[in-house]
Amino acid sequence: AQSVTQLGSHVSVSEGALVLLRCNYSSSVPPYLFWYVQYPNQGLQLLLKYTSAATLVKGINGFEAEFKKSETSFHLTKPSAHMSDAAEYFCAVSEYTGNQFYFGTGTSLTVIP
Amino acid sequence: DTAVSQTPKYLVTQMGNDKSIKCEQNLGHDTMYWYKQDSKKFLKIMFSYNNKELIINETVPNRFSPKSPDKAHLNLHINSLELGDSAVYFCASNGPWGGELFFGEGSRLTVL
Repeated sequence: AQSVTQLGSHVSVSEGALVLLRCNYSSSVPPYLFWYVQYPNQGLQLLLKYTSAATLVKGINGFEAEFKKSETSFHLTKPSAHMSDAAEYFCAVSEYTGNQFYFGTGTSLTVIP
Repeated sequence: DTAVSQTPKYLVTQMGNDKSIKCEQNLGHDTMYWYKQDSKKFLKIMFSYNNKELIINETVPNRFSPKSPDKAHLNLHINSLELGDSAVYFCASNGPWGGELFFGEGSRLTVL
């Protein structure tokens, strides 16, 4: 079975600062990778996904992530944090069948004005 | 139109009661899921159905019974509710071969 590790259950950044949320996965075969965002009292919505095309993936709201096979990582970044980015972020992996997803434990992002 | 809709959004009930949560998706997806999110935000897969057939059945108490009348609907029935069942339950669906999950808004269950 796959596993997904998100380092840092809580991350705080100042408004305008770089956002870096870390995600590592365990897999010998490049999987499909996803980042989801969950705002308070809402469902999860897709930020971006990697499905074996370009290794640098751009998503919504200015977020991007880079797939690094050698490091088995898929870290999420945003150059300049905005107050509206405060939310819970989940990294997820699925295998090629697309029916089994493995989620990280989530990272809560706080943006300080 | 909401892609994945689940009802009710909130349930408050007493221990020992039975409750159901309904889910419908209008995306034409073949696969639907139920996830449980606990108070620490951890997401746990409970069940997955592909075209009405159960394909994932994680270690979940028998009190939880999913039902899929057709591929657009996946309902969750919970018998004899316990305090530990309090959580947010998410329905999701996806298409084949790496398609991302589309989530509903969640159903917050509180067992008193």
